[in-house]
Amino acid sequence: DAGVTQSPTHLIKTRGQQVTLRCSPKSGHDTVSWYQQALGQGPQFIFQYYEEEERQRGNFPDRFSGHQFPNYSSELNVNALLLGDSALYLCSSSSPGLAPDTQYFGPGTRLTVL
Amino acid sequence: AQTVTQSQPEMSVQEAETVTLSCTYDTSESDYYLFWYKQPPSRQMILVIRQEAYKQQNATENRFSVNFQKAAKSFSLKISDSQLGDAAMYFCAYTPTNTGNQFYFGTGTSLTVIP
Repeated sequence: DAGVTQSPTHLIKTRGQQVTLRCSPKSGHDTVSWYQQALGQGPQFIFQYYEEEERQRGNFPDRFSGHQFPNYSSELNVNALLLGDSALYLCSSSSPGLAPDTQYFGPGTRLTVL
Repeated sequence: AQTVTQSQPEMSVQEAETVTLSCTYDTSESDYYLFWYKQPPSRQMILVIRQEAYKQQNATENRFSVNFQKAAKSFSLKISDSQLGDAAMYFCAYTPTNTGNQFYFGTGTSLTVIP
């Protein structure tokens, strides 16, 4: 049973470009959350998707958007990249009916903006 | 505002010894969960231990235990018989029960285990 998977592992972009990160949740999970982890910091909540809709959002600008597909996989899109967007982007999956400790994290995508 | 504070950026411990990592949090919620996650260099967040706020008994998982002081909003992690594989970043995290699993993380404590 595969856990949460993310692609790509690493990504290098330049300022002003757009990027798409992908996440497949653990089997049986229907809720996907995205976090940004800057170097030396703890993860910060970006948003959460459930039933193909954004259910919650953290304090991130509209340049950050997402999507969830019918198979529960999800994408994170960031437009007009800034140097400050360089970070590890973590995806986690869970199911509303389960206890919070069943939230599983993926290995992350390391985004570098030059 | 809901915040999680880890005041120890770095800690070290001799192999086989015991170490305690500190965490405090601020919330007006009465029902919530607290967690400790381990993040090794592989970057994968691994759940170490969880605590439900309504439970007075401190959680334990093998060599890992917590000291949960609800009134003081304190949630420390004790690692006994430290092993080389325990070396990692440790994050304290909090989630209210009414936010659909949105987690709030501290800034982390880097633990070094000295052979």
